[in-house]
Amino acid sequence: RKEVEQDPGPFNVPEGATVAFNCTYSNSASQSFFWYRQDCRKEPKLLMSVYSSGNEDGRFTAQLNRASQYISLLIRDSKLSDSATYLCVVKLSYNQGGKLIFGQGTELSVKP
Amino acid sequence: DTGVSQNPRHKITKRGQNVTFRCDPISEHNRLYWYRQTLGQGPEFLTYFQNEAQLEKSRLLSDRFSAERPKGSFSTLEIQRTEQGDSAMYLCASSLVGLAGEQFFGPGTRLTVL
Repeated sequence: RKEVEQDPGPFNVPEGATVAFNCTYSNSASQSFFWYRQDCRKEPKLLMSVYSSGNEDGRFTAQLNRASQYISLLIRDSKLSDSATYLCVVKLSYNQGGKLIFGQGTELSVKP
Repeated sequence: DTGVSQNPRHKITKRGQNVTFRCDPISEHNRLYWYRQTLGQGPEFLTYFQNEAQLEKSRLLSDRFSAERPKGSFSTLEIQRTEQGDSAMYLCASSLVGLAGEQFFGPGTRLTVL
């Protein structure tokens, strides 16, 4: 079983749609949580951190449930420019090197 | 540009050849990480340095792989006797030590082994 598992993709949605990505993690030593965005043949870039209280950045809302080890990302009013692969990421503790564990990614394609 | 840089950006080699990649982190960052990403997968951790010390190596890092960070600044990743299964994007990231230390990624080196 992978340490971080995401919904299989791809997601193909029309502009303006709301799309939700789900992710589960298995390592209880996971200390912090993120969503990264990766455009085709580019490096991953931090989209947002994820907190138990939930956090919002414009059209993006992320949520963490530590008890069920579940992370989500909601994108509202999707734009063509949102087309990318979204990576669910957990960061291990300082004592474990602070390394990032990535899910396999979910590809999103927003169509006109 | 003060971000993470990697060279070369692309490398095509024949099976059995040795290759070396370089990563230049953000100057004040004391942690440096190497990841590998194959098609359709997320990046996987390979190894990391704190300053010049290599503190952890993944089991993905076979004996053919070696990484160095001799002066705690740039790092090199060498693959000896390359195999077709080594074809991947090799990503470098750097950060400051600490829970809040965001990892900034370089553009990656795409390796193709023929």
